[in-house]
Amino acid sequence: AAGVIQSPRHLIKEKRETATLKCYPIPRHDTVYWYQQGPGQDPQFLISFYEKMQSDKGSIPDRFSAQQFSDYHSELNMSSLELGDSALYFCASSLGRGGNTEAFFGQGTRLTVV
Amino acid sequence: AQKVTQAQTEISVVEKEDVTLDCVYETRDTTYYLFWYKQPPSGELVFLIRRNSFDEQNEISGRYSWNFQKSTSSFNFTITASQVVDSAVYFCALSEPRYNFNKFYFGSGTKLNVKP
Repeated sequence: AAGVIQSPRHLIKEKRETATLKCYPIPRHDTVYWYQQGPGQDPQFLISFYEKMQSDKGSIPDRFSAQQFSDYHSELNMSSLELGDSALYFCASSLGRGGNTEAFFGQGTRLTVV
Repeated sequence: AQKVTQAQTEISVVEKEDVTLDCVYETRDTTYYLFWYKQPPSGELVFLIRRNSFDEQNEISGRYSWNFQKSTSSFNFTITASQVVDSAVYFCALSEPRYNFNKFYFGSGTKLNVKP
């Protein structure tokens, strides 16, 4: 079965650079979530989209932006990268909104800022 | 305040032992959903179970079982006859559709080490 695809799997960037993470949800899923997981920490909610509109916003820095496109894929854009942005970034998708449906997570993009 | 508490940071067991991972949650909502996810060393998050607040039936899936008790706000996860492949970090999560449609609150995770 198709799963959530994230690219790239690994990314190394220097401080102050820009990074773009991509997420391709499971076909027909209309909701996409982005989470950030620091080393040894639990995933922290960043932002979500439902039917290409921003749905909820969490602790996403102003340096980050995201959008969901007409084909439902999503991109997380991160500018002026800082060392503290080094983390595992997960994208998840679900059919329908919120907790009455399970979210399936991608394998994550490991971002390292040096 | 932490909405989901997993008090056990790390647990070590020997293969074939049973192990229970605790999860306590906090919510004002009457309708909510609880989840368990597994994060193996490879890093991905694997969905294990979803339970809604109106369904207190315990569930068993192979060696996995879940005990949901609203009276104590707990949603504990038991692995019977543990195996080395069960070694992972396990996260309990909560969703409150009334307040936050598209947001999951994760606990801090419990790292399970199963030794051969």
